[in-house]
Amino acid sequence: GEDVEQSLFLSVREGDSSVINCTYTDSSSTYLYWYKQEPGAGLQLLTYIFSNMDMKQDQRLTVLLNKKDKHLSLRIADTQTGDSAIYFCAESLFGNEKLTFGTGTRLTIIP
Amino acid sequence: SAVISQKPSRDICQRGTSLTIQCQVDSQVTMMFWYRQQPGQSLTLIATANQGSEATYESGFVIDKFPISRPNLTFSTLTVSNMSPEDSSIYLCSAQQGSYEQYFGPGTRLTVT
Repeated sequence: GEDVEQSLFLSVREGDSSVINCTYTDSSSTYLYWYKQEPGAGLQLLTYIFSNMDMKQDQRLTVLLNKKDKHLSLRIADTQTGDSAIYFCAESLFGNEKLTFGTGTRLTIIP
Repeated sequence: SAVISQKPSRDICQRGTSLTIQCQVDSQVTMMFWYRQQPGQSLTLIATANQGSEATYESGFVIDKFPISRPNLTFSTLTVSNMSPEDSSIYLCSAQQGSYEQYFGPGTRLTVT
């Protein structure tokens, strides 16, 4: 079955880069996503990557995918206080199906 | 991106009662989903809301407890029936636009006393 794991907490100094990691078990995953949840809010789709890609960059965000190790990461450059949130990775099998979410990583920014 | 609204945004309900949550999308979408996020936890899919047919429920969720309607391509409701304190959660609807982009509503924060 599908299983998506993340570390629970990450603390980063303001201005540094944040790297949030995610591992998944289902090699059939075709789409992998990163969502951001700020306190008291819903989920914001940040970015996604197709399984036939290794990297995707979107402004301060860089997604890296290692299919061999089933490892996904999200790098946030020049981390700001507004980046404080819980970040969820998620996978889907055919891109038109349910999302299986990771446990979420709470990113804390140290001034 | 699709803009999704939910009503109510939060509610406090007594055990044994039912609450219906509404989800409205600003454009027609092919698929709509309902998720539950228990306190401090990740999201779990309750069901896929199918337009014109019965919802498809995930393991552990049943229609009698969580009846869902989807009368058209922009609107869906989720009812949480005969509530108990264990139903206290955030309930989120989402909509699939295109083949891979799934957007979420702001959530409904439910507390059952």
